Amino acid sequence: DTGVSQDPRHKITKRGQNVTFRCDPISEHNRLYWYRQTLGQGPEFLTYFQNEAQLEKSRLLSDRFSAERPKGSFSTLEIQRTEQGDSAMYLCASSPAWASGGQSTDTQYFGPGTRLTVL
Amino acid sequence: GNSVTQMEGPVTLSEEAFLTINCTYTATGYPSLFWYVQYPGEGLQLLLKATKADDKGSNKGFEATYRKETTSFHLEKGSVQVSDSAVYFCALWGTDKLIFGTGTRLQVFP
Repeated sequence: DTGVSQDPRHKITKRGQNVTFRCDPISEHNRLYWYRQTLGQGPEFLTYFQNEAQLEKSRLLSDRFSAERPKGSFSTLEIQRTEQGDSAMYLCASSPAWASGGQSTDTQYFGPGTRLTVL
Repeated sequence: GNSVTQMEGPVTLSEEAFLTINCTYTATGYPSLFWYVQYPGEGLQLLLKATKADDKGSNKGFEATYRKETTSFHLEKGSVQVSDSAVYFCALWGTDKLIFGTGTRLQVFP
């Protein structure tokens, strides 16, 4: 397995446009997380899925944000009507839902991130 | 609520110097604690973790000990290299999610 992948790596958009990011987790991981990292800050939790079910959403996830994981594999994060304040690095991570094979549920593996710039 | 506080950076060291990056936490109970590292242009990589009090996590010459009494998880390395230059994040396991500190940038010069 090549790890968690994200696409695109960089996205520049104009204010008011919609953008969509994709994350492909490690194949055997049931849980998939989205975090947002702004400049000079640590990652902040946005939402997570266990299989296809979205189990928790942060207050940071406004109505303009929507995340899906329709088949329990890859996930998409869409931002509608982007604002300059949405400029950030969007990180995806995956982990197993149950401890097995030496992996624990609290150890997350991160992708390289998608850097969004809203002009 | 749960939170993590890290020392502000940047931390600037010469090669082979001793490194300490301070991290303290506030939490309900005794959550697992982590150090993640972010090299320029890359995602976060798990550096080490500790799951209970007095546990010591270690990897690549880095160490951190879970101190319940002082609610701390300071990162140490005896001799840093230029290749250790990166941003280091302390984190704790909240309810089904990681809670991160703000990160500490380490710059190591030859």
